[in-house]
Amino acid sequence: QKEVEQDPGPLSVPEGAIVSLNCTYSNSAFQYFMWYRQYSRKGPELLMYTYSSGNKEDGRFTAQVDKSSKYISLFIRDSQPSDSATYLCAMSGNQAGTALIFGKGTTLSVSS
Amino acid sequence: GAGVSQSPRYKVAKRGQDVALRCDPISGHVSLFWYQQALGQGPEFLTYFQNEAQLDKSGLPSDRFFAERPEGSVSTLKIQRTQQEDSAVYLCASSMGRNTEAFFGQGTRLTVV
Repeated sequence: QKEVEQDPGPLSVPEGAIVSLNCTYSNSAFQYFMWYRQYSRKGPELLMYTYSSGNKEDGRFTAQVDKSSKYISLFIRDSQPSDSATYLCAMSGNQAGTALIFGKGTTLSVSS
Repeated sequence: GAGVSQSPRYKVAKRGQDVALRCDPISGHVSLFWYQQALGQGPEFLTYFQNEAQLDKSGLPSDRFFAERPEGSVSTLKIQRTQQEDSAVYLCASSMGRNTEAFFGQGTRLTVV
């Protein structure tokens, strides 16, 4: 079992839909949780950065962390065709310089 | 610069050739990471620098891979005697320091033929 599990999709939704993306993990030492968006042939772009459990909202994006269940989510409201990309969850522990552990990424397609 | 810059963007190497990939981190960023991303996969950690010190190289897949950051700014990832399985996108990321947000460059797509 990999440390971070993420359904690769693909996930196809119509414009305006609410999208839910999820990751599960096995390492209870993870403290920092991130979501990156990656367009084709581009580098990952940081969307959300959270510490420990709880919710964080930024515009149409909401990140949730449930450490008791080892489960994190990213919600996208009013999805747009420009949201079509691969979404990567990433997490790290509490040591200085700890590397990010990524999921495989979920490919999202939003149709107009 | 405004972001992490990597060069070249694309590199085609013949099997057995040595390659060098360059990363210019965001100015003032202490931490620098190299990742390898295979097609359809998430990035996988290769190595980490804090300033000029290479503190973690546990992800380097073989002794053919070598990274340096001699002045604590620009970093170079070198791959000797490239093999086909080295074909991937090599990503560089930098951050201000401990457990702060990491920002990625566009990556170098290496194809070994």
